[in-house]
Amino acid sequence: DAGVIQSPRHEVTEMGQEVTLRCKPISGHNSLFWYRQTMMRGLELLIYFNNNVPIDDSGMPEDRFSAKMPNASFSTLKIQPSEPRDSAVYFCASSLGATTQYFGPGTRLTVL
Amino acid sequence: AQRVTQPEKLLSVFKGAPVELKCNYSYSGSPELFWYVQYSRQRLQLLLRHISRESIKGFTADLNKGETSFHLKKPFAQEEDSAMYYCALRWNRDDKIIFGKGTRLHILP
Repeated sequence: DAGVIQSPRHEVTEMGQEVTLRCKPISGHNSLFWYRQTMMRGLELLIYFNNNVPIDDSGMPEDRFSAKMPNASFSTLKIQPSEPRDSAVYFCASSLGATTQYFGPGTRLTVL
Repeated sequence: AQRVTQPEKLLSVFKGAPVELKCNYSYSGSPELFWYVQYSRQRLQLLLRHISRESIKGFTADLNKGETSFHLKKPFAQEEDSAMYYCALRWNRDDKIIFGKGTRLHILP
């Protein structure tokens, strides 16, 4: 098992552009989490899904951020329009219910 | 509200010296506490959880409900322990957990 897969691993874009981050959870896991990691704020939970349904999106910073999980094996986090303050490492994690979360390698986003 | 506090952003320790990474939490019920570790160029991964009462890579952590703490300890630091360490809390048997801001542990030769 390759574990949680995220793409792209690095993304550099200009302010105002749309950015889409992708995640493939571990097969069989039914919970999926999106986190943002910055030096100032550490690791913040943005949103999580259970059985493809968004359960808690209270961490989503603003309307520019949206996340979808169209099926059990794929999720996207979209930022539109992107801003320099969105620069961070974005992690996806998955778990089987309330068990250990397994993290992906992260996507390093730089917004110029 | 539930909160996890890691007071040290950076901790430098000499090789062979004891290590203690501090973690305090705020939650009135029965929490589940974890330590996650992120080595350089590797994924964030679970190090240990309080319900397991285990020692992983020489690290232990005891939940102290009176002091609402879950400090991570190791008697003798090794250079390979250099990493970012996150304390995390889960409550109400929910799927989600919240993380502290992390402590970067730097082991000096």
